[in-house]
Amino acid sequence: GAGVSQSPSNKVTEKGKDVELRCDPISGHTALYWYRQSLGQGLEFLIYFQGNSAPDKSGLPSDRFSAERTGGSVSTLTIQRTQQEDSAVYLCASSLLFGGNEQFFGPGTRLTVL
Amino acid sequence: DAKTTQPTSMDCAEGRAANLPCNHSTISGNEYVYWYRQIHSQGPQYIIHGLKNNETNEMASLIITEDRKSSTLILPHATLRDTAVYYCIVERPMDSNYQLIWGAGTKLIIKP
Repeated sequence: GAGVSQSPSNKVTEKGKDVELRCDPISGHTALYWYRQSLGQGLEFLIYFQGNSAPDKSGLPSDRFSAERTGGSVSTLTIQRTQQEDSAVYLCASSLLFGGNEQFFGPGTRLTVL
Repeated sequence: DAKTTQPTSMDCAEGRAANLPCNHSTISGNEYVYWYRQIHSQGPQYIIHGLKNNETNEMASLIITEDRKSSTLILPHATLRDTAVYYCIVERPMDSNYQLIWGAGTKLIIKP
């Protein structure tokens, strides 16, 4: 596709379950970003990738959160043992290069933890 | 990392110019100023960015003060479709400790 895609668009899960969120960036974009947005709030930066490497993971909220990117393309954000406070919209973006480039955002995954 | 301060909300009449201010008084010399907007229930959309000089594109103009401590996004002829939350952020390129810090943004309401 022409834009960034994310799946699933909506995910409802029970507290304590693990979830995987997927992001397909624009083809050829080397940089990929994950954000979280709680209702009515601004974006919270989580992690970025340059190629398959994530130089700084300090933005991840806890050790229950992890992310990987393989083949310089698809990225997966995994949340283990989900908690109700993890409920939010998770947004993915990509850019041609890291830094100094506009980011193209996907539609997001709305995660609801019951 | 530079942080930004924006008014919580603003109104503008349709057809008028919307001027959205942003303070970034701790910005460093190599940090860009970016503007994005987010229409309800959609992902953010890039508008414009700049370093030192004023910039203009088909969507908006960006005016950056000489000391770079503040900027203004100008939508020259606002339409109802410009109603959105507008985010001003600063970005440090090519920094291994890179983080983007997004504030709560300005909710711009365009009124008929």
